[in-house]
Amino acid sequence: DAGITQSPRHKVTETGTPVTLRCHQTENHRYMYWYRQDPGHGLRLIHYSYGVKDTDKGEVSDGYSVSRSKTEDFLLTLESATSSQTSVYFCAISGPPLATANYEQYFGPGTRLTVT
Amino acid sequence: GESVGLHLPTLSVQEGDNSIINCAYSNSASDYFIWYKQESGKGPQFIIDIRSNMDKRQGQRVTVLLNKTVKHLSLQIAATQPGDSAVYFCAENIGYSTLTFGKGTMLLVSP
Repeated sequence: DAGITQSPRHKVTETGTPVTLRCHQTENHRYMYWYRQDPGHGLRLIHYSYGVKDTDKGEVSDGYSVSRSKTEDFLLTLESATSSQTSVYFCAISGPPLATANYEQYFGPGTRLTVT
Repeated sequence: GESVGLHLPTLSVQEGDNSIINCAYSNSASDYFIWYKQESGKGPQFIIDIRSNMDKRQGQRVTVLLNKTVKHLSLQIAATQPGDSAVYFCAENIGYSTLTFGKGTMLLVSP
């Protein structure tokens, strides 16, 4: 999985609780992404980062926040989890440190989150 | 949990056949395209990419064709094997360094 790990791999949580998912890379890639994958919707971008402390919203960012304090780590936080956030979450990385063009994205193994 | 493969269009082929998976993309300004393979329970895996200044690119057993006139992308897999069974997604860049993904096609290969 191109030097990408996600933790936890599985989590069950209750509605209203905060949840943080972690993505860690060892590739020194510039860009990091969080997606969710749901049947009938495919992969949808939640947030992405183009450098340390530089992040931007994706298509489905409501209810999620992110932080990137180090090149290798990108955290996704659900401030107050809802049942609609039950999904499989994938992290992806892309691009060398000084990337100025589009590059392929490499995906982690995913985190299956269930909100009850 | 429900599989990502449910409700997807499905292509069923025999082992050894050639497979063609099609994708219509939405943005005429997109200039970078990728095909991914996703096996059950795993993350998407990069297969091959193509930039808009090309209309064909070949890899190992795979070929991607790009027709910008009709905004169509296809993935050809030669001599399909049971291990090729998976969901295949196309993706196009929608902005600098971001991609949007198609909903996917499930490829089923029978021995």
